[in-house]
Amino acid sequence: DAGVTQSPTHLIKTRGQQVTLRCSPKSGHDTVSWYQQALGQGPQFIFQYYEEEERQRGNFPDRFSGHQFPNYSSELNVNALLLGDSALYLCASSSTGNPTDTQYFGPGTRLTVL
Amino acid sequence: QKEVEQNSGPLSVPEGAIASLNCTYSDRVSQSFFWYRQYSGKSPELIMSIYSNGDKEDGRFTAQLNKASQYVSLLIRDSQPSDSATYLCAPANFGNEKLTFGTGTRLTIIP
Repeated sequence: DAGVTQSPTHLIKTRGQQVTLRCSPKSGHDTVSWYQQALGQGPQFIFQYYEEEERQRGNFPDRFSGHQFPNYSSELNVNALLLGDSALYLCASSSTGNPTDTQYFGPGTRLTVL
Repeated sequence: QKEVEQNSGPLSVPEGAIASLNCTYSDRVSQSFFWYRQYSGKSPELIMSIYSNGDKEDGRFTAQLNKASQYVSLLIRDSQPSDSATYLCAPANFGNEKLTFGTGTRLTIIP
């Protein structure tokens, strides 16, 4: 049973560029959440997708957008990259039908903005 | 006041001793509480969840919850060097909704 997968593992971009990160949820999960983790900090919630719609959103600017596909996989897009966007981006999947279950994290994508 | 506060750390504990990790939270509506372990350069891994006041034990780990005090803790008995990691506390309304993390407590087990 495959867990949560993310691609790419590492990414280097320059300021002003755009980036797309990808996530496939754990088998049986239908909900995908994205988190940003800066060095030395805990993960910060970006947004959550369920039934191809954004269900919850954290305190992130509109430069951060996402999408969920019919197979429950998801993308995170960040436009006009800033140096401060350098972080580990984590995808977590869960099941909306099981509220007592928790979120399982993928290995993350390390984004470096130069 | 921060939403989630944890032991400032780093915390050093001798091998075989009990490590005690603490967490307070500000959102009174939180119903679910999770402890994640994160090794350096890796993603968070769930080690414990707790929903009701009191203690919950799982192997060498015990989570304690006091909703009235808005306090949750994690005890690690018989600490092993492999327990050296950053421990993240995360309350939530429900487990499948937004998790709010503290900055984490870095734990080092000294052989």
